[in-house]
Amino acid sequence: EVQLLESGGGLVQPGGSLRLPCAASGFTFSSYAMSWVRQAPGKGLEWVSAISGSGGSTYYADFVKGRFTISRDNSKNTLYLQMNSLRTEDTAVYYCAKDPTRGYSGSYLDYWGQGTLVTVSS
Amino acid sequence: QSVLTQPPSVSGAPGQRVTISCTGSSSNIGAGHDVHWYQQLPGTAPKLLIYVNSNRPSGVPDRFSGSKSGTSASLAITGLQAEDEADYYCQSYDSRLSAAVFGGGTQLTVL
Repeated sequence: EVQLLESGGGLVQPGGSLRLPCAASGFTFSSYAMSWVRQAPGKGLEWVSAISGSGGSTYYADFVKGRFTISRDNSKNTLYLQMNSLRTEDTAVYYCAKDPTRGYSGSYLDYWGQGTLVTVSS
Repeated sequence: QSVLTQPPSVSGAPGQRVTISCTGSSSNIGAGHDVHWYQQLPGTAPKLLIYVNSNRPSGVPDRFSGSKSGTSASLAITGLQAEDEADYYCQSYDSRLSAAVFGGGTQLTVL
């Protein structure tokens, strides 16, 4: 059974940093691209970032470029999102999600974690 | 303002059929990129409902179906049930943005 478990969310001040891990199990982690998608309170879904199965290719939404960094440790079956220079508008539930292929192509996300809430506020 | 446009809400009585539209443009759906649909029950994570326009993952009832034409796509739900009450999101890929894009979501109410 595929399981994705995010953690690391919490309250952070504007300009601060946070690192979100996502622990994966139930599938061959290195064989699949992974994505982060966020959802602001009461709002819709917004794609944030993706990484290929090998970790050699990364992709970002324009609104996080230069501030967020996606990475993965295939030996630990863990995906990460390093978030720097956080803004109030980054407040959201952050979901990690599995892509159906090794290379990222903007395709569907077949499994999602339960999400972790990040609140950026002073 | 979402790249893909969905109606904010739809409703129907139990047993009825409802459809949810998803309108894009020449840089996403109209460019031939596939459309996918997700169901988000209250307080839970999104779940894949339809992939590559019209395919259902294992376990999704055949009451749910998807279609795509031109710059738009649709999700149809027949035999509406109370448990279908949820938010529904369409998703595609946008060549101009080089990013996956979502619709704003549609809240389905079962009357």
